[in-house]
Amino acid sequence: GENVEQHPSTLSVQEGDSAVIKCTYSDSASNYFPWYKQELGKGPQLIIDIRSNVGEKKDQRIAVTLNKTAKHFSLHITETQPEDSAVYFCAASIGAGNMLTFGGGTRLMVKP
Amino acid sequence: GAVVSQHPSRVICKSGTSVKIECRSLDFQATTMFWYRQFPKQSLMLMATSNEGSKATYEQGVEKDKFLINHASLTLSTLTVTSAHPEDSSFYICSAEWKAGEKLFFGSGTQLSVL
Repeated sequence: GENVEQHPSTLSVQEGDSAVIKCTYSDSASNYFPWYKQELGKGPQLIIDIRSNVGEKKDQRIAVTLNKTAKHFSLHITETQPEDSAVYFCAASIGAGNMLTFGGGTRLMVKP
Repeated sequence: GAVVSQHPSRVICKSGTSVKIECRSLDFQATTMFWYRQFPKQSLMLMATSNEGSKATYEQGVEKDKFLINHASLTLSTLTVTSAHPEDSSFYICSAEWKAGEKLFFGSGTQLSVL
């Protein structure tokens, strides 16, 4: 089955700096890669996703890149703000509506 | 985005009792819903896939007689933890497929504490 690894497990940045979180996946059949933000005691919130036919996608301060050959994808957050502090999960699946395999999560802390 | 409502958000129960958790898609019909379990500071682990009108598909190692899943309508799936024990204490989260082949949206989770 699919295995998704995520790094780093914790990331501390200064407000205004950029944050990058990286994930690798094992199943070359995976073609959908969402990123979720989870705040304490809440469910994951979809922040951005990318499909395998696209190499990069951007939404305001958030961007995701995908390298299918290397089987890795990354989340980039620019101009970080304290409210970006949360746990971020990457995930992979075969088809957007199918079961997701999650990475281990990254705890992002943005210091004011 | 689509809204998935999960209830209750928190429940405390005695060992040996059963607890039911509801997951509703509020503004769309979800043929498929998924149930996840999350321990503190860990990732989400898929427990089962719930399909409307049919039996749920459980992941390896998940006891189907302990975690009963019912998906009786296109907007509601329930997870019942039967004869709960302290080791069942966890954060349970559901997700629903917005449209066939489209993205999943998650509920707000249920923190279960078994005393």
